[in-house]
Amino acid sequence: SAVISQKPSRDICQRGTSLTIQCQVDSQVTMMFWYRQQPGQSLTLIATANQGSEATYESGFVIDKFPISRPNLTFSTLTVSNMSPEDSSIYLCSAKGTPNQETQYFGPGTRLLVL
Amino acid sequence: GQQLNQSPQSMFIQEGEDVSMNCTSSSIFNTWLWYKQDPGEGPVLLIALYKAGELTSNGRLTAQFGITRKDSFLNISASIPSDVGIYFCAGHDFGNEKLTFGTGTRLTIIP
Repeated sequence: SAVISQKPSRDICQRGTSLTIQCQVDSQVTMMFWYRQQPGQSLTLIATANQGSEATYESGFVIDKFPISRPNLTFSTLTVSNMSPEDSSIYLCSAKGTPNQETQYFGPGTRLLVL
Repeated sequence: GQQLNQSPQSMFIQEGEDVSMNCTSSSIFNTWLWYKQDPGEGPVLLIALYKAGELTSNGRLTAQFGITRKDSFLNISASIPSDVGIYFCAGHDFGNEKLTFGTGTRLTIIP
């Protein structure tokens, strides 16, 4: 299975600032995704990170708020911009494409608290 | 949009008991995945199901892909303390690369 790491693992930020979260996969994958998990809730897909092109955002999420980069097949970043307390959540990176195209693996998550 | 309903929402059991949880969908999926999430961690894949009717085991865990392709269940036999956590089902359909997640089942073991 793919091993996915995220940095930072947690952070406490002031409102109005931005935080960039990094995701690294130990092998080339076809697809990478970013999810948000609010306290006590299930996972909500923010966007699909496309290599070499703009990310595909889900309803309710916009590029200005959550800019995403994916410069190659193993790395992606998610920025949470102009943060407010409502952005306090766990942000999870996910990837699929190795070894099975239908199997999706997750990173350990980044715990964000916005004051 | 698609919704996945998991039941029960939470379970309180004693160590050694068997556990059963299920997931139902308003539409069909071609893949069902079951994940477990420990506190402070990301979801970890437990079992993947790729064919309707498929029954798959992973140690004490057994999961089945429903014949209608709209449901799946997960059973845990002889529960142990490390089984504590939140279990999520997730479905994937043809032509859509995204996973739809269930609402989760929180498992607690009573000492």
